[in-house]
Amino acid sequence: KNEVEQSPQNLTAQEGEFITINCSYSVGISALHWLQQHPGGGIVSLFMLSSGKKKHGRLIATINIQEKHSSLHITASHPRDSAVYICAVLGNQFYFGTGTSLTVIP
Amino acid sequence: NAGVTQTPKFQVLKTGQSMTLQCAQDMNHEYMSWYRQDPGMGLRLIHYSVGAGITDQGEVPNGYNVSRSTTEDFPLRLLSAAPSQTSVYFCASSYSNIGETQYFGPGTRLLVL
Repeated sequence: KNEVEQSPQNLTAQEGEFITINCSYSVGISALHWLQQHPGGGIVSLFMLSSGKKKHGRLIATINIQEKHSSLHITASHPRDSAVYICAVLGNQFYFGTGTSLTVIP
Repeated sequence: NAGVTQTPKFQVLKTGQSMTLQCAQDMNHEYMSWYRQDPGMGLRLIHYSVGAGITDQGEVPNGYNVSRSTTEDFPLRLLSAAPSQTSVYFCASSYSNIGETQYFGPGTRLLVL
């Protein structure tokens, strides 16, 4: 049983496209994190959300606590956005999704 | 600040060997944790610590030991390596557990033959 489900698993986009990655979870949470894992393996935290919406540059993250759902949007995608995006929720511990592998083609 | 550092970056072990994966952070974070990442699975929590002298088990603790004698260091010990422990191991830290940004180390890739 996966506490966190992400969709899609894989995503290929043309440069400039608007991208949406979805995350649904089944546990009660106090926070949700979006992480980015670079092709070299390093993991970077992008956002931490407990409600509403956050924006950082071309990245936008939203969360709907009632529906237990979060989305990560990338506007005007660029090849350097190619990475694996991981959703993680904080319940009694962190639970991680399996990630969405994004490839942006020039 | 160096952030979170892990050594070694890559290690090959034979079944039954023991080793210690090192993790250190220089951000004075109280919360530190170890995860393993396997293909097709999300990161899974092995052990965590909410401060020096305090550790607890995560989701997959069997075969691993930890200790936290200082705020900075959180080593992970494999007592008798098994092929099932072949994985990529990440150490992470945050100021506190609740709702804080997690800072990840670069990872240690472990192969157990």
